[in-house]
Amino acid sequence: EDQVTQSPEALRLQEGESSSLNCSYTVSGLRGLFWYRQDPGKGPEFLFTLYSAGEEKEKERLKATLTKKESFLHITAPKPEDSATYLCAAQTGANNLFFGTGTRLTVIP
Amino acid sequence: SAVISQKPSRDICQRGTSLTIQCQVDSQVTMMFWYRQQPGQSLTLIATANQGSEATYESGFVIDKFPISRPNLTFSTLTVSNMSPEDSSIYLCSAGRQGNEQFFGPGTRLTVL
Repeated sequence: EDQVTQSPEALRLQEGESSSLNCSYTVSGLRGLFWYRQDPGKGPEFLFTLYSAGEEKEKERLKATLTKKESFLHITAPKPEDSATYLCAAQTGANNLFFGTGTRLTVIP
Repeated sequence: SAVISQKPSRDICQRGTSLTIQCQVDSQVTMMFWYRQQPGQSLTLIATANQGSEATYESGFVIDKFPISRPNLTFSTLTVSNMSPEDSSIYLCSAGRQGNEQFFGPGTRLTVL
């Protein structure tokens, strides 16, 4: 059965305190691993797509990496505006996105 | 990227009625999808909206309850039929091109009394 698991469920960081979010996946025929940011009351905002193990992508304070079993979203020196829920999703052969339950990040000034 | 709008942004409906949600994309896209996000939970795919043919539904979702139309490459509608309080949720439209990233609309927050 296809499964995407994110940890931790919630994370509180001091401003400037770097950390990583984990996304473990068990899917058949992975075509891509997606990261989204979701603010309260809004739709998910696209961040990254990773297609193969060893791939890395960066955007401002965020860096996403991918292995054969999991993906990490590294946040370097976060700011309060980085507070959001971060979702990962595995794309299977049918172009469907299978989402994890998300990590709710709070960055305290 | 694609910019996606949804109407209405929110609604409060009575049990037994139906609501149609509209999704408009600012450019032609291959794929359009409808998701549901229940309170405190992640997104669950309802169906893929196919242009010019019947939608493809995921397990647990049926056409009689969630009829979908996609008359062209930039527009789709989702109807939530014969609503009950369990249908209270956020409904999200997404769009993308074959094999590429999906972009999401802002969502429609539905409350059923």
